Amino acid sequence: KNEVEQSPQNLTAQEGEFITINCSYSVGISALHWLQQHPGGGIVSLFMLSSGKKKHGRLIATINIQEKHSSLHITASHPRDSAVYICAVPTTQGAQKLVFGQGTRLTINP
Amino acid sequence: GAGVSQTPSNKVTEKGKYVELRCDPISGHTALYWYRQSLGQGPEFLIYFQGTGAADDSGLPNDRFFAVRPEGSVSTLKIQRTERGDSAVYLCASSPGGANSGNTIYFGEGSWLTVV
Repeated sequence: KNEVEQSPQNLTAQEGEFITINCSYSVGISALHWLQQHPGGGIVSLFMLSSGKKKHGRLIATINIQEKHSSLHITASHPRDSAVYICAVPTTQGAQKLVFGQGTRLTINP
Repeated sequence: GAGVSQTPSNKVTEKGKYVELRCDPISGHTALYWYRQSLGQGPEFLIYFQGTGAADDSGLPNDRFFAVRPEGSVSTLKIQRTERGDSAVYLCASSPGGANSGNTIYFGEGSWLTVV
């Protein structure tokens, strides 16, 4: 089993601020997923990464495999970024199912 | 459609009734997952299909829950004798391969089940 811890659980910021959400996991993995969930339940996959850094628009995800830690950053945050951000990892090496963090509820105020 | 489609989007049922939730994955995706998400929690794994077979059903909470994928595409999650504690969002996801194979996972919008 892989435990996944996210921090903070809730984050409120002003439009334009730089946002960082952290994810730590307990067991070695080959890939980590960052997901975004809007009110109403729909989940969108943002990143799947196994090393280093990935960037998509204003979103940046980094991972340190040795430290079992990943971060999701949002630059120039906007109210439309308000959502729950969830990281997820496979349960063990080679496992085909994901275990999810509890999510970070992000609110960006205009 | 191009994405993962789930029906119904909302279902209210009485305690003790039988419920079926349907998932139509992205065409060609061999891996299909069911997850359950309670209010304020992250999704929890229920079952994983690779093709037609349930490769891992270790997350099904008890024998009232069952899922099938008879032709390797559409899947149905079946819940018998529903209980109020079954109320949750049931999420379906699909991917070209397994979650640990470096594939992006695509989620549906979920089926909101309320048992009254």
